[in-house]
Order: sequence, then structure tokens, then C-alpha cells
Amino acid sequence: EVQVVESGGGLVQPGGSLRLSCAVSGFTFSDHYMDWVRQAPGKGLEWVGRSRNKINGYTTEYAASVKGRFIISRDDSRMSLFLQMNSLKTEDTALYYCARRYCSGGSCHGRIDYWGQGTLVTVSS
Amino acid sequence: DVQMTQSPSSLSASVGDRVTITCQTSHDINNYLNWYQQKPGKAPKVLIYDASKLEIGVPPRFSGTGSGTHFTFTISSLQPEDIGTYYCQRYDDLPPLTFGGGTKVEIK
Repeated sequence: EVQVVESGGGLVQPGGSLRLSCAVSGFTFSDHYMDWVRQAPGKGLEWVGRSRNKINGYTTEYAASVKGRFIISRDDSRMSLFLQMNSLKTEDTALYYCARRYCSGGSCHGRIDYWGQGTLVTVSS
Repeated sequence: DVQMTQSPSSLSASVGDRVTITCQTSHDINNYLNWYQQKPGKAPKVLIYDASKLEIGVPPRFSGTGSGTHFTFTISSLQPEDIGTYYCQRYDDLPPLTFGGGTKVEIK
């Protein structure tokens, strides 16, 4: 059974840093693209960033709103994805979801087939 | 970047009604569009991928059509368990994903 579990959220002051973790199980982690998607309270979904899979060199891309401040990394031996968030702003307050991209036969699709339950990040003084 | 316009932002319909949501993009995205359902307090769930393909296990009352810049999502007969917010989502290489603004569906 595929499982995706985020952790690491909390309250942080503006300008501070926080590191989110996403532990996965039930599938071959290195085969899959992984995304971070966030949702501000009462708002819609916003894509944050992506890590490609091993065969595509684990390259990363970021939304313009977080580029230069957020870094995605992964540790396949620990079956974990990370989101290092620096220079946090009040507008980064959101529920952060870790999400698996559907991949099959070495090819990855644009749809997310598994999501965690999210971890809440609150940026406030 | 591709802009996405999803409408309406909310709707209220009766059980058994046909419900339609549209998503328009500023550029041709072929059929690179998915639809998600998010129930209150839950993570989103994909219902339709590649504009018109039904995800495994999703009831056939959900459907999607469209290509290019105009897409439609339909619930053929609204059920009480269908309340929630629906999002369209485009995908490509860069930027990888963009979500529409969402449509909140309520029962009248």
C-alpha cells in the first residue's frame, strides 16, 4: 500500500527557516517524480516544486514564488523527500502536501496519484 | 506562463442535477489537463486525467472533455457525496503543474 506522510510543519517567524520531511512507502521511490503542493487557509492549490526521478537525474524545478528560497532534496535510501524553506514570508503560510506523480515504465505523467495529508506551516511574528 | 481560468468559482445544485465546470487556458495545452476533487479536510484526489480519461475506481458519472484551450468537467447526476471543491490542473515540462482556482460544489 502506498503511503505518503509529511512532517516538520510548525510556527516560524518571518525570515526564518523550516525543513519539511515526507516519508513514503509501498513503491519504488527512485522511479517517481515527487511534488510539493501547498494550500493557504481557505484558498486553492498552488504547486511549489518538483523533483524528477533517478533516471532523470533528480533535477528540480520551483514555482516563481519560492524560487531561490526553497530547496527540494531527496534521500532514496531513507525513502524520503525534503523541502528546505528559507527566508519565510507570511504568505508562505499554508498546508504543505507531498505528492507522488504517476510514473510507469520509466515515463512520468502529469497527474498526481497519491497525496499525503499535509503538514501546516504558519509564518507569523 | 499558461494562465488558467476555471468557472464558476462556486455552484449550488440539487441531487440528480447535471453539473458542468469549465477550465480555459491562455495557450494551447493539447490534452494535458487533469481534474481533481477535494473534499473538506482531505487531500485532493484525481478523477480525470488527459482531459477525458477516467481514473481507475472513479464512478462513471464523472467525465471530462476538451482539448487545446477549452475543457469541461461534468457530473452527470450530482450525489450528496460529491460536495467539495474541484480543480483543473495543467501539466507540461516547465512549469510542471498549474492549478485552476477551484469550483466549490454544494447541494441545494
